Amino acid sequence: NAGVTQTPKFQVLKTGQSMTLQCAQDMNHNSMYWYRQDPGMGLRLIYYSASEGTTDKGEVPNGYNVSRLNKREFSLRLESAAPSQTSVYFCASSESGGSSYNEQFFGPGTRLTVL
Amino acid sequence: QKEVEQNSGPLSVPEGAIASLNCTYSDRVSQSFFWYRQYSGKSPELIMSIYSNGDKEDGRFTAQLNKASQYVSLLIRDSQPSDSATYLCAVNGGYDYKLSFGAGTTVTVRA
Repeated sequence: NAGVTQTPKFQVLKTGQSMTLQCAQDMNHNSMYWYRQDPGMGLRLIYYSASEGTTDKGEVPNGYNVSRLNKREFSLRLESAAPSQTSVYFCASSESGGSSYNEQFFGPGTRLTVL
Repeated sequence: QKEVEQNSGPLSVPEGAIASLNCTYSDRVSQSFFWYRQYSGKSPELIMSIYSNGDKEDGRFTAQLNKASQYVSLLIRDSQPSDSATYLCAVNGGYDYKLSFGAGTTVTVRA
């Protein structure tokens, strides 16, 4: 099993460009998440999907959109990239959408730079 | 708003010593608690989860939870240079599936 995979690993954008970060998991998990990680600030939740067909905003959703394409895939889109979106983006998944015993497993991350 | 606080460190310990990491949280209804290890340039890796008060041991790692004091800790016994990493504390409340993360404690094990 590959676990959680993300593409691309690295990306450089110019201000105003758009792009989609892809995430897929092969663990048959119900819930998926997008985080960003900035120095000194820990992981902050952007959006999450408790189950296929549902998405909800997290702590820092502005400037992002998501799509839960199917149970395996959860994409994150930046419509008009800004330098403030320079960060490392992690996708994660967890088995249960309805339990607080919610071990999350992370993908390898995407390092995004917006010039 | 759930808040999770950790000492930012860095925490430097000699090889073979015990590293002690602390985490406090603000949401009294939090039910599950996790420790992740993150090597530089890598993704977080789950190393411990704890759900009830007391100690939970897994190899050289021990997690301790005190819900009354809203405190969770991680002990790393017989620290090795390979334990040098940032350790993230994460807390899940009783209402939803979301985790709140602390900013992490960086541990350096001196050979």
